[in-house]
Amino acid sequence: GENVEQHPSTLSVQEGDSAVIKCTYSDSASNYFPWYKQELGKGPQLIIDIRSNVGEKKDQRIAVTLNKTAKHFSLHITETQPEDSAVYFCAATDYNFNKFYFGSGTKLNVKP
Amino acid sequence: DADVTQTPRNRITKTGKRIMLECSQTKGHDRMYWYRQDPGLGLRLIYYSFDVKDINKGEISDGYSVSRQAQAKFSLSLESAIPNQTALYFCATSGNDRGRNYGYTFGSGTRLTVV
Repeated sequence: GENVEQHPSTLSVQEGDSAVIKCTYSDSASNYFPWYKQELGKGPQLIIDIRSNVGEKKDQRIAVTLNKTAKHFSLHITETQPEDSAVYFCAATDYNFNKFYFGSGTKLNVKP
Repeated sequence: DADVTQTPRNRITKTGKRIMLECSQTKGHDRMYWYRQDPGLGLRLIYYSFDVKDINKGEISDGYSVSRQAQAKFSLSLESAIPNQTALYFCATSGNDRGRNYGYTFGSGTRLTVV
């Protein structure tokens, strides 16, 4: 089955700086890669996703890049704000969307 | 109202007791999932169901059972709770929205403590 690895496990940045979280996957059949943000006491929420037919996707201050050859994808957050502090999870699945395989999570702390 | 509702939000139970966690959704999705979250271990799949007559084990199904009572309802049971089942439990749904498949929609979670 698919194996998704996520790094780093914790990340601390100063407000206004950029943050990058990286994930690798093992199954070349995976072609959909969502990112989730989990705030304290809440369930994970989808913040951005990318499909294998594109290499980059942006939504305001967040972007995701995908390198299918290397089997890795990354989340980029620019101009970080304290409200970006949360745990972020990457995931991967194939075109059937049967099961999502999650990374172990990154706890992002944005210091004011 | 939330798209995916989990009850209870918090529960403390004693070792050996049977407990049921419930999940209902208004997304109209066919697929429903139960995950367990432990610190440092991310989200691990317990059981999943693609429709009312379909139940599948995930990676950590031992000690758990599920029931898909209707398309919108998927419950998780711990037949005889043990302390290492203390965790945060999430229900999720997946399906077709506006003609495309997207990532999961998660509930707010149930924090279960077994003493």
